[in-house]
Amino acid sequence: GDSVTQMEGPVTLSEEAFLTINCTYTATGYPSLFWYVQYPGEGLQLLLKATKADDKGSNKGFEATYRKETTSFHLEKGSVQVSDSAVYFCALTANSGGYQKVTFGIGTKLQVIP
Amino acid sequence: GAVVSQHPSWVICKSGTSVKIECRSLDFQATTMFWYRQFPKQSLMLMATSNEGSKATYEQGVEKDKFLINHASLTLSTLTVTSAHPEDSSFYICSARRDRALSAQHFGDGTRLSIL
Repeated sequence: GDSVTQMEGPVTLSEEAFLTINCTYTATGYPSLFWYVQYPGEGLQLLLKATKADDKGSNKGFEATYRKETTSFHLEKGSVQVSDSAVYFCALTANSGGYQKVTFGIGTKLQVIP
Repeated sequence: GAVVSQHPSWVICKSGTSVKIECRSLDFQATTMFWYRQFPKQSLMLMATSNEGSKATYEQGVEKDKFLINHASLTLSTLTVTSAHPEDSSFYICSARRDRALSAQHFGDGTRLSIL
């Protein structure tokens, strides 16, 4: 079946450091890939997405490129802020019987310290 | 293998009936379980947070009497859609967290609910 693999963390960085959170996936067909963010006490929010190979999703300074050859969708940000502290979930959607099924990674906690 | 089991994976039923969806953590005790709903081509919406032994906390706009959540044990949470109507048709997904101090959430495979 489909699966998403990401490190659990926590990842602790100083403010303005470079961030990479790795995400790899296995899926049949051509999935769409997503990064969701969950701030403390809140639900998941869509951060960015990419729907086909070589697409780059970007939002709020975060970027991720859909790499089909390496089945990866790593999340990057050049300079993190304290407000970026949250849990980040990599996910994919793939057609399952005509409907989009979502598969999530376990989430990576990011802690940014001043 | 899967650590969270969600059942059923797909259900079709007539308008007016109630549908129960189960979410089980298979090899750990889940202090917190979450229920999400996904509308077609949209992001997931958190419906409620369920802590074992206490009442679920519902997000704004989610009808408590419509979507009944019971977290009866450390390994089982249920979502009951009462008197379901076609507008309740959606994809429902649960997740479970082992410990409040931990960030990892393990997701079920989701339930596709179709109300005729």
